[in-house]
Amino acid sequence: NAGVTQTPKFQVLKTGQSMTLQCAQDMNHNSMYWYRQDPGMGLRLIYYSASEGTTDKGEVPNGYNVSRLNKREFSLRLESAAPSQTSVYFCASSEQANSGNTIYFGEGSWLTVV
Amino acid sequence: SQQGEEDPQALSIQEGENATMNCSYKTSINNLQWYRQNSGRGLVHLILIRSNEREKHSGRLRVTLDTSKKSSSLLITASRAADTASYFCATAPGGFQKLVFGTGTRLLVSP
Repeated sequence: NAGVTQTPKFQVLKTGQSMTLQCAQDMNHNSMYWYRQDPGMGLRLIYYSASEGTTDKGEVPNGYNVSRLNKREFSLRLESAAPSQTSVYFCASSEQANSGNTIYFGEGSWLTVV
Repeated sequence: SQQGEEDPQALSIQEGENATMNCSYKTSINNLQWYRQNSGRGLVHLILIRSNEREKHSGRLRVTLDTSKKSSSLLITASRAADTASYFCATAPGGFQKLVFGTGTRLLVSP
């Protein structure tokens, strides 16, 4: 049981380049999330998808776009990467979008923008 | 701004000692969760405590919740070197769809 799988694990981008982080879950969860983690800042929610067909902004959505491709997959796109987007990105999922549900995280994607 | 703030930011103890970390939050909640993150890995759920609960146990973990003070504590008893990790509290102000994590406590347990 793979849980939440995200790719790539590591990526170096030049300023202005674009890229997509891919995420898939095999737990039949309805809700999926993208977080970024920066030193001293904890995890901050970028976008989430409460259910297939819906997406909503989180705390720090600027510079990102998302696509809930189907129930399993939720991608995060950087259209024009900036050094401020250097971070560790985590995809996550939960059965439902309510506070009583456990969130399951992927292993993270390390992104460096130079 | 962060909903949850953990204290202390870092904690260093010896194996066998107890480790206590605290979380304060700003708005009313239905539940509070604690997560653990090993270095270079994703977060893993430890325990959830509901707003109508004051204390909850899971193995060597003990979590308390004081809604009047808007605070929670996580106690790890008889710590082991394998407990070395960062610990985060998470709450959902205004509903779960925006689950917010604190900045975490880095715990180092030395053999």
